Amino acid sequence: EVHLVESGGVVVQPGDSLRLSCAASGFTFEDSDMHWVRQPPGKGLEWVSLINWDGESAYYADSVKGRFTVSRDNTKSSLFLQMNSLRHEDSALYYCAKDGPGAYGLEHWGQGTLVTVSS
Amino acid sequence: QSALTQPASVSGSPGQSISISCTGSSSDIGGYNYVSWYQQHPGKAPKLLIYDVTNRPSGVSTRFSGSKSGNTASLTISEIQADDEADYYCSSYSNSNTYVFGTGTRVSVL
Repeated sequence: EVHLVESGGVVVQPGDSLRLSCAASGFTFEDSDMHWVRQPPGKGLEWVSLINWDGESAYYADSVKGRFTVSRDNTKSSLFLQMNSLRHEDSALYYCAKDGPGAYGLEHWGQGTLVTVSS
Repeated sequence: QSALTQPASVSGSPGQSISISCTGSSSDIGGYNYVSWYQQHPGKAPKLLIYDVTNRPSGVSTRFSGSKSGNTASLTISEIQADDEADYYCSSYSNSNTYVFGTGTRVSVL
């Protein structure tokens, strides 16, 4: 069974940095592209980032480009999101999700980790 | 990367069919057959209903179906039930290996 567990969400101040983690199990992590998706409290979903299976390619939403960096450690089946220069509008529940099935569908999601940016 | 446009709310009586539209542009929905749909109940992670415009993952009810015409994708829920009351989101591949979600639709079962 696919299992994704996010961690690292806390309350931070504007301008701070934070690193989120996503521990994966139940599938061949090193063969899977992975996404980060976020959801501000009471609002809709926003795609954040994609990293391909070997970590060689990464893509970002314009809203986080230049501030967030996605990475992965296939030896530890772990995904990361380094978040710098955090803003109030980055406050959200952050989900990691496994790419697939098909060309685009996110069938497996974690339970999310909450990031709050507040002064 | 503008959010795809969905109606804020759609409602129907039990047993009826409803459809949710998702409008984008030629840079996303219109340009690729990479549209997915998600159902989200309060406090829960999203659940994949449809991928690649029309395909259902194993275990998803056949009452959910997807389609696309031009820059607009649609999700149809037939024989709507009380448990279908939730938020629904579309999502599409966009240019340059980015993705975009819709604004979300709250479905109410009357």
